[in-house]
Amino acid sequence: EIVLTQSPDLQSVTPKEKVTITCRASQSIGGSLHWYQQKPNQSPKLLIKYASQSFSGVPSRFSGSGSGTDFTLTINSLEAEDAATYYCHQSYAFPRTFGQGTKVEIK
Amino acid sequence: QVQLQESGPGLVEPSETLSLTCSVSGGSVSSANYYWNWIRQPPGKGLEWIGKIDYSGSTDYNPSLKSRVTISLDTSTNQFSLKLNSVTAADTAVYFCARDGVSGLAYFYPWGQGTLVTVSS
Repeated sequence: EIVLTQSPDLQSVTPKEKVTITCRASQSIGGSLHWYQQKPNQSPKLLIKYASQSFSGVPSRFSGSGSGTDFTLTINSLEAEDAATYYCHQSYAFPRTFGQGTKVEIK
Repeated sequence: QVQLQESGPGLVEPSETLSLTCSVSGGSVSSANYYWNWIRQPPGKGLEWIGKIDYSGSTDYNPSLKSRVTISLDTSTNQFSLKLNSVTAADTAVYFCARDGVSGLAYFYPWGQGTLVTVSS
C-alpha cells in the first residue's frame, strides 16, 4: 500500500497569506496525485488533478506541483472561504489511498 | 452533469450487515471509462477508500476490508451498492460514493453528499 504523508497537520494563517501543504508518497507515483478540499459536513471537492492540473471552476489561487514522491499544494493569497481540510490522494496503484489531511485555519 | 446520491439505513446493529446504494444520474454506470467507488470517513477522521467496481462488474477492494465487503452494480437501475458485513462501532462513518476512471480520469469526481451510518444497538 502506498502511504501518503501530509505536512503540516494544521496550519493557522492570516488572510492574504500564502499557504503551502506538502504530500510525500512512500514510493514513486509519477504524477498520479490529486488534491481535494473538504469543508465541515460537505463532501470533498476536487481542486487539482494529476499533480498540477487545475480542475474546472477552481480559483486560480490554488496550484499544485511535484512528481515522483514529493508534491505541493499552494494557496496564494488565502481567503477566509479557504478554511477547510485538504487531502491528497494517489491513483497510481490499488488500494487508492489518501493523506491524513491538513487543516487550514484562519487566524 | 453526473450526480451521485447515497441512500440506506442510518443505523445498523453490531454484527449485522451495512447496505448502501448509490444512484447515478446524468451518466451511465455502463460506461467503460469510469469506475464507481465507495469511500468512508469516520467522525472527525480522514478518508478511507473501500473499493470500486467497473462496468463489467470487476472489483477491487481495500485489503483492510476485503473479507467483509461486496460492491455490486445494477445497470438496469443505474445504481451500485455496498455491503459490509459483521459491522462494529469502528464502521461508524460517513459513507460517500464517487466516480473515478481510467488513466487520465483517475480522480474522484463527482462525489455524493455522503450518508452517516451509525453502528449501535
